[in-house]
Amino acid sequence: DGGITQSPKYLFRKEGQNVTLSCEQNLNHDAMYWYRQDPGQGLRLIYYSQIVNDFQKGDIAEGYSVSREKKESFPLTVTSAQKNPTAFYLCASSIGGTSGASYNEQYFGPGTRLTVL
Amino acid sequence: QKEVEQNSGPLSVPEGAIASLNCTYSDRGSQSFFWYRQYSGKSPELIMSIYSNGDKEDGRFTAQLNKASQYVSLLIRDSQPSDSATYLCAVNMISFSGSARQLTFGSGTQLTVLP
Repeated sequence: DGGITQSPKYLFRKEGQNVTLSCEQNLNHDAMYWYRQDPGQGLRLIYYSQIVNDFQKGDIAEGYSVSREKKESFPLTVTSAQKNPTAFYLCASSIGGTSGASYNEQYFGPGTRLTVL
Repeated sequence: QKEVEQNSGPLSVPEGAIASLNCTYSDRGSQSFFWYRQYSGKSPELIMSIYSNGDKEDGRFTAQLNKASQYVSLLIRDSQPSDSATYLCAVNMISFSGSARQLTFGSGTQLTVLP
């Protein structure tokens, strides 16, 4: 089955810890994205990558880091510099790029719920 | 700052009625518009995409786009209790930094379909 997987489903972080959220896709999509969702709010873009070995900051990148060493994988690290990391983290992918209408259709993984203890 | 606005609701409709969800956006240059459905505790699911002015129908769902008015809507006909969810409007807009286009999401409208 083609799709996007995220792990873990739930994650608990202690103050001062870095944690890494996994995102894998087998849709052969070029572009991948990380969003954060807080209760009652829309999604906010953290980072995105349009191609392997390249990524760009979104609107709220501070305190986060990413890598894109493989087309299928786009892990997100929440660093200790992120002061309020408790949120629902969503990974998405799209065929690719920012040109062409249908290339913008993004599909989401099941999400990781991060809680700071 | 570029924005996507939705009524937060909650919007309640009786089973079998038409539910109408609305969204306005600020970037006149936007070309791609999407509706996502999000059940409580779950991730968003793409249900409709629309790129041209007018209506686009898919089953019980109809998306309507009016670029001149910067308005996009979603109609759900014959609403069912299983349609109860939050509906997110997303628009491909110039990013906050101004360097690229990215999806900007509204905060969502919570829909409840009453049996």
